[in-house]
Amino acid sequence: GENVEQHPSTLSVQEGDSAVIKCTYSDSASNYFPWYKQELGKGPQLIIDIRSNVGEKKDQRIAVTLNKTAKHFSLHITETQPEDSAVYFCAASTRGNTPLVFGKGTRLSVIA
Amino acid sequence: GAVVSQHPSWVICKSGTSVKIECRSLDFQATTMFWYRQFPKQSLMLMATSNEGSKATYEQGVEKDKFLINHASLTLSTLTVTSAHPEDSSFYICSALASGRLGEQYFGPGTRLTVT
Repeated sequence: GENVEQHPSTLSVQEGDSAVIKCTYSDSASNYFPWYKQELGKGPQLIIDIRSNVGEKKDQRIAVTLNKTAKHFSLHITETQPEDSAVYFCAASTRGNTPLVFGKGTRLSVIA
Repeated sequence: GAVVSQHPSWVICKSGTSVKIECRSLDFQATTMFWYRQFPKQSLMLMATSNEGSKATYEQGVEKDKFLINHASLTLSTLTVTSAHPEDSSFYICSALASGRLGEQYFGPGTRLTVT
């Protein structure tokens, strides 16, 4: 089955700097890669996603890149703000109605 | 759009009792919903896949007789923890797969269950 590895597990950045979180996946059939932000005591919130027919997607300060050949995808947050502090999860799925396989999460701390 | 609610947000129950958690997709239909369990500082662990009108599919190691799932409509799935024990205390989160929007899952806010 699919296996998703996520790095780093913790990340501290100064406010205004960029943050990058990387994930790798094992199943070349995976075609959907979402990123979720989870704040303490809340459910994960979908912040951006990318499909296998696209190499990069951007939404304001957030961008995701996908390298299908290498089977890895990354989340980029620019101009970080304290409210970006949370746990971020990457995930992958092979078909539209299959469960997501999650990475172990990255705890991002943005220091003011 | 794409809002998922859960009720209750937290519950405390005594050992041996049953607790029902509701998951609703408020502004979209969801033929498939998922139930996850999350321990502190850990990732989400898939418990089961719930399909409207059919039996749920449970992940290996999840007791189907203990965690009863019902998906009676396109907007509602319920998880009942039967004969709860302290080790069932956890954060339970549901997600709903948006019909027609391939792969997009939206999560509820979670339910904190504490069994005393």
